[in-house]
Amino acid sequence: QSALTQPRSVSGSPGQSVTISCSGTSSDVGGYNYVSWYQQHPGNAPKLMLYEVTKWPSGVPDRFSGSKSGNTASLTISGLQAEDEADYYCCSYAGSFTWVFGGGTKLTVL
Amino acid sequence: EVQLVESGGGLVQPGGSLRLSCAASGFIFSDYPMNWVRQAPGKGLEWVSHIGQTDGPTYGDSVKGRFTISRDNAKNSLFLQMSSLRDEDTAVYYCVRDLHFAFDFWGHGTVVTVSS
Repeated sequence: QSALTQPRSVSGSPGQSVTISCSGTSSDVGGYNYVSWYQQHPGNAPKLMLYEVTKWPSGVPDRFSGSKSGNTASLTISGLQAEDEADYYCCSYAGSFTWVFGGGTKLTVL
Repeated sequence: EVQLVESGGGLVQPGGSLRLSCAASGFIFSDYPMNWVRQAPGKGLEWVSHIGQTDGPTYGDSVKGRFTISRDNAKNSLFLQMSSLRDEDTAVYYCVRDLHFAFDFWGHGTVVTVSS
C-alpha cells in the first residue's frame, strides 16, 4: 500500500488551466477505473470532486475534469478561480476493498 | 441532508485504547459501505478501514491487527476500536461514506492524540 505520487505544488493564474498528475502502479491506478479526486481547504474536511476517473458528483462544476492513461491519472482545472486554491488528493481503489491516497498537491492561484 | 458526526477522540497514552463512533443520518445507513480515513497533523490523507454491507472488514497495513471496525445498522452507527496506539496514530479521523468506490460524504472529524 504505497502512496500514489503527486507533485507537491502547482500554480496558475486566474482563468488559466492547471493539471495535477497522480502516478501509481498496475495494482491500483492502472488496474481499476476507480480513481477519485478530493479538494481540501484548510481546516475543512475533504470534498469529493471526481469519481470513477471522469464522473462529477452533484454540484461540482465541469471546470474540473479527469483522465487516466496507464498507471497515471490526472485532474485538470480549467478557468482557474481564487476559490480553487486548496490541497488536492487523488485516491485509487487497490483491490480487495483497500484504497490508497496520493500525498497531496497544493494548488496556488497567483 | 447527509450527516456524519464523529465522536470519541481525545488524548491517550502510547499503548492505550480508544473507541471512535460515527452517527449517521439523512440516508439509509445499511445500504452503504463505510470507511475511516485519517490525516496526521500537516500530512496527507490515509485510508484506514472499510466495512461493507456483507463483505468482511479491511484495514490499511499500518493499523492491521490493532484496529477493529464495526457497524450497528439499527443505530445508524459506525465504530473504530483502536488499541496498542502509537505516536504515529495521532491524526484527525474522518468517518466517510463509500459510493462507487469513492468517498462521497465526510464527517468533520475527531482528533486523536497519542502522547505521554
